[in-house]
Amino acid sequence: SQQGEEDPQALSIQEGENATMNCSYKTSINNLQWYRQNSGRGLVHLILIRSNEREKHSGRLRVTLDTSKKSSSLLITASRAADTASYFCATAEASGSRLTFGEGTQLTVNP
Amino acid sequence: DAGVTQSPTHLIKTRGQHVTLRCSPISGHKSVSWYQQVLGQGPQFIFQYYEKEERGRGNFPDRFSARQFPNYSSELNVNALLLGDSALYLCASNLVLNTEAFFGQGTRLTVV
Repeated sequence: SQQGEEDPQALSIQEGENATMNCSYKTSINNLQWYRQNSGRGLVHLILIRSNEREKHSGRLRVTLDTSKKSSSLLITASRAADTASYFCATAEASGSRLTFGEGTQLTVNP
Repeated sequence: DAGVTQSPTHLIKTRGQHVTLRCSPISGHKSVSWYQQVLGQGPQFIFQYYEKEERGRGNFPDRFSARQFPNYSSELNVNALLLGDSALYLCASNLVLNTEAFFGQGTRLTVV
């Protein structure tokens, strides 16, 4: 079963705009990870945020985590056409034995 | 350094057949996990192996099995294939548990 739910399911923006994707989950976690997937191929790891962290940055990416609300957000600033992809959040429980993925957000960045 | 490598990239099998998928983790990574991704959905966890021992199993039938070898590479086996097994099978490796998981490009399995 899916633990996370991404919102929105699909997002279409213009190049240069910011894109925000949200993720909610249900159980306690050790960490939450964001991935990108192009055209049904392998997942590319973007960023990992641990349960005791609230915000993390990597280049044009900013991730926040609110464990009290069991939610996370991914912000991509100054988007580019190359950012067009599906974005997934995945949670890892304390045991570390699995990642539980949401359904993903399909981001389209129009040139 | 090479990333996670999976073979084959594409595979077509007939219902009832058996399939073996292979995965080589990033050098030094001791954990390998397998995921099934059906079109339009997020990946679903199948197995995790760490230091050659099974650490977790998802909600998949006994037709699915896996193992990890002394060199940390792994195989996923699926017996008695069903049409519903058609999916992208993804392998991921971690250095140790609860660290970043790095995925291979996947094996696209089509069952006809």
